[in-house]
Amino acid sequence: NAGVTQTPKFQVLKTGQSMTLQCAQDMNHEYMSWYRQDPGMGLRLIHYSVGAGITDQGEVPNGYNVSRSTTEDFPLRLLSAAPSQTSVYFCASTMTAYSGNTIYFGEGSWLTVV
Amino acid sequence: DAKTTQPTSMDCAEGRAANLPCNHSTISGNEYVYWYRQIHSQGPQYIIHGLKNNETNEMASLIITEDRKSSTLILPHATLRDTAVYYCIVKGASNTGKLIFGQGTTLQVKP
Repeated sequence: NAGVTQTPKFQVLKTGQSMTLQCAQDMNHEYMSWYRQDPGMGLRLIHYSVGAGITDQGEVPNGYNVSRSTTEDFPLRLLSAAPSQTSVYFCASTMTAYSGNTIYFGEGSWLTVV
Repeated sequence: DAKTTQPTSMDCAEGRAANLPCNHSTISGNEYVYWYRQIHSQGPQYIIHGLKNNETNEMASLIITEDRKSSTLILPHATLRDTAVYYCIVKGASNTGKLIFGQGTTLQVKP
């Protein structure tokens, strides 16, 4: 049981490049989400998914795209990277979005856009 | 989801109990209290959560007041590795599943 796995751990991009951050969980969780954390700040929700084939926007979705073709995977795509997207990205999963379930986080992906 | 208030920072001597308070005076009946911690910008680590009753696991204890307006996370024997930012989060039955992370409490465990 690996929990929530994120790749890559570190990435440097040039402005305008695109890339995909990968997130996988092996706990058969329906709910998965992506957060970003900027220096000295709390986590902010980017996108989330309540099940395969269903995604929705969080509070900071601009510049990011997601899809959920399987229960296990929830990739986050940066369409055209900007310096403002330099951040640490965390993927999270839980059984369902509702209260009472334990929410697990990945170890993070550090992204620098130059 | 209800807002939480935590002290900005706290110190604790190694081997002693660390008691981290959290105020959530606007909590509603179906909202849970969650505690996470983050060490050096690693992924948030789940500690414990509860609704009404006190909870205990291998990491910590969670004491929730009878009126549910505040709670305390207790690390019974703090070690240097417990130095981290601790977040108290109230989460309701929202279909976004969003956790609202405030500024948290920076706990410094000292030798």
